[in-house]
Amino acid sequence: GQNIDQPTEMTATEGAIVQINCTYQTSGFNGLFWYQQHAGEAPTFLSYNVLDGLEEKGRFSSFLSRSKGYSYLLLKELQMKDSASYLCAPMDSNYQLIWGAGTKLIIKP
Amino acid sequence: IAGITQAPTSQILAAGRRMTLRCTQDMRHNAMYWYRQDLGLGLRLIHYSNTAGTTGKGEVPDGYSVSRANTDDFPLTLASAVPSQTSVYFCASSPGIAGGPDTQYFGPGTRLTVL
Repeated sequence: GQNIDQPTEMTATEGAIVQINCTYQTSGFNGLFWYQQHAGEAPTFLSYNVLDGLEEKGRFSSFLSRSKGYSYLLLKELQMKDSASYLCAPMDSNYQLIWGAGTKLIIKP
Repeated sequence: IAGITQAPTSQILAAGRRMTLRCTQDMRHNAMYWYRQDLGLGLRLIHYSNTAGTTGKGEVPDGYSVSRANTDDFPLTLASAVPSQTSVYFCASSPGIAGGPDTQYFGPGTRLTVL
């Protein structure tokens, strides 16, 4: 079956760095997306990885290891506005996104 | 302003009633999707459309129907609502045919409560 595993909740301090891990099992693989979702709002696109390695985009970076079925999202210089849920979503062989339940990130001052 | 709009924003509905959730995009995207999001669960795909005139079933299609008469609109209909359909519903679209790694863009959502 298809399965996504990411921590339910994480807490970090403003200005610090946090890494949100995601492991996945899918029927085929066509890349992995990370989305951010603030409470009561729609998910918004953060990153897409299809090849192994690290993709950096400002304060946010995303890493993929296809052989390990593993990805992480790295957030640097945390700001209060980064408090949100972060959704890991690999794309299967049918190009359907398989969504994890998300990791709720709480930023403390 | 370009994007996806959904209506209504929220709705309380009696069980057994028929309800249509509206979704319109002005980005000329080919593919559109309907998801539901429930607490503690990931987004689950209800129905999708690769292009105008075609639709397909997702992971949880039972009790829902869709149509895609044109590029912009993708309404979702609950023929006879049941309490288990209480959820937040998101419409999304992506530029290409839903057969490639397109980025999906989401509407603001409709919060539906069925009593």
